[in-house]
Amino acid sequence: EVQLVESGGGLVQPGGSLRLSCAASGFTFSDHYMDWVRQAPGKGLEWVGRTRNKANSYTTEYAASVKGRFTISRDDSKNSLYLQMNSLKTEDTAVYYCARKNANDAFDIWGQGTMVTVSS
Amino acid sequence: SYVLTQPPSVSVAPGQTARITCGGNNIGSKSVHWYQQKPGQAPVLVVYDDSDRPSGIPERFSGSNSGNTATLTISRVEAGDEADYYCQVWDSSSDPYVVFGGGTKLTVL
Repeated sequence: EVQLVESGGGLVQPGGSLRLSCAASGFTFSDHYMDWVRQAPGKGLEWVGRTRNKANSYTTEYAASVKGRFTISRDDSKNSLYLQMNSLKTEDTAVYYCARKNANDAFDIWGQGTMVTVSS
Repeated sequence: SYVLTQPPSVSVAPGQTARITCGGNNIGSKSVHWYQQKPGQAPVLVVYDDSDRPSGIPERFSGSNSGNTATLTISRVEAGDEADYYCQVWDSSSDPYVVFGGGTKLTVL
């Protein structure tokens, strides 16, 4: 079964750090670009960033709202995607989803999401 | 940045046809993808590349895209179609270059 499973969410104080993980199974993880998308409570979807595959040098892109604070990485040997979040703000409170990008630039597989709450 | 505009809500009776629009500047030149999200669940891709359906998505879901408007059409609407729907494009000249619409709540009366 093709699957993505996020973990690592929780409660963190403003200015703190958190690392999210996304475990992939059922497909060749190393072939795919992988993205993070978040959703604040009661709000819409917001793209966070992307890591490309090895063939594209694992380059990354970020939304302006997280650039310089968040870092996306991957470990193809472990079929895992990561999101390192530093200098967290209250507005980063959201459910964070990892998602697989397909050849058509659509997100065809999503994880179940992990909740991050930034609050004092 | 590129902006996608969706109506906040659409209501339709069971068995009727629902049309959810997604407006954007010259969106007809881009590939539009649509996601369904039910409460407490992750989004699910229902239409990609304007009008293609992933395997497992009913034929009742279809899409079109021309000019400044893309449309998701759901025929013979069922109670189980009640959900939030989001359009999405990729625009290399935008920042961010992955853009989602604000979402439309489909209510089945």
